[in-house]
Amino acid sequence: DTAVSQTPKYLVTQMGNDKSIKCEQNLGHDTMYWYKQDSKKFLKIMFSYNNKELIINETVPNRFSPKSPDKAHLNLHINSLELGDSAVYFCASTQGTGGLRETQYFGPGTRLLVL
Amino acid sequence: GDSVTQMEGPVTLSEEAFLTINCTYTATGYPSLFWYVQYPGEGLQLLLKATKADDKGSNKGFEATYRKETTSFHLEKGSVQVSDSAVYFCALSSSQAGTALIFGKGTTLSVSS
Repeated sequence: DTAVSQTPKYLVTQMGNDKSIKCEQNLGHDTMYWYKQDSKKFLKIMFSYNNKELIINETVPNRFSPKSPDKAHLNLHINSLELGDSAVYFCASTQGTGGLRETQYFGPGTRLLVL
Repeated sequence: GDSVTQMEGPVTLSEEAFLTINCTYTATGYPSLFWYVQYPGEGLQLLLKATKADDKGSNKGFEATYRKETTSFHLEKGSVQVSDSAVYFCALSSSQAGTALIFGKGTTLSVSS
């Protein structure tokens, strides 16, 4: 009964390729997020969606494009992959709009390695 | 802008030792504060949280008290176990951050038997 799931768990690809990471939550939550964790374990928000609507879009290259087909899914598509995109990408969700007191539930992460 | 500062790791302890991981924050208004834990190869799990000043969050023997006067949320455990070895992240949620969490850089804890 995985609450927030991501596929794939590992992704190894060549520079210049296009790849997608999928996220699904079965918690009935309204808001979903993508975070990037770099090689030093630092976590930073990339995007968030509330009911399929983009509400946070941090300064990330426009090669990254989130897509939310419904409120249970938030996918991340990356064009023209670069070495610096190598990281662990975490999906998360909150029940409401992510207010101050809400707990975020994280997926297991997708480890992306660009060669 | 809002930020979280954690003590640098790694922290290496023997089983049953006392643990403190320092966390201080900068935020406008009244943020909520969280500790998340990441076990090797896994995602982040909420360990505990506190949503207002003087609140104490606790879980699995870990505790942290929201101290507004010192803008701190230090994590403590009286007796660590090998199974506590993980990376610990302090985070805040504030009106300035919107709906996202702002994380500290994480502290790696290694406990040996």
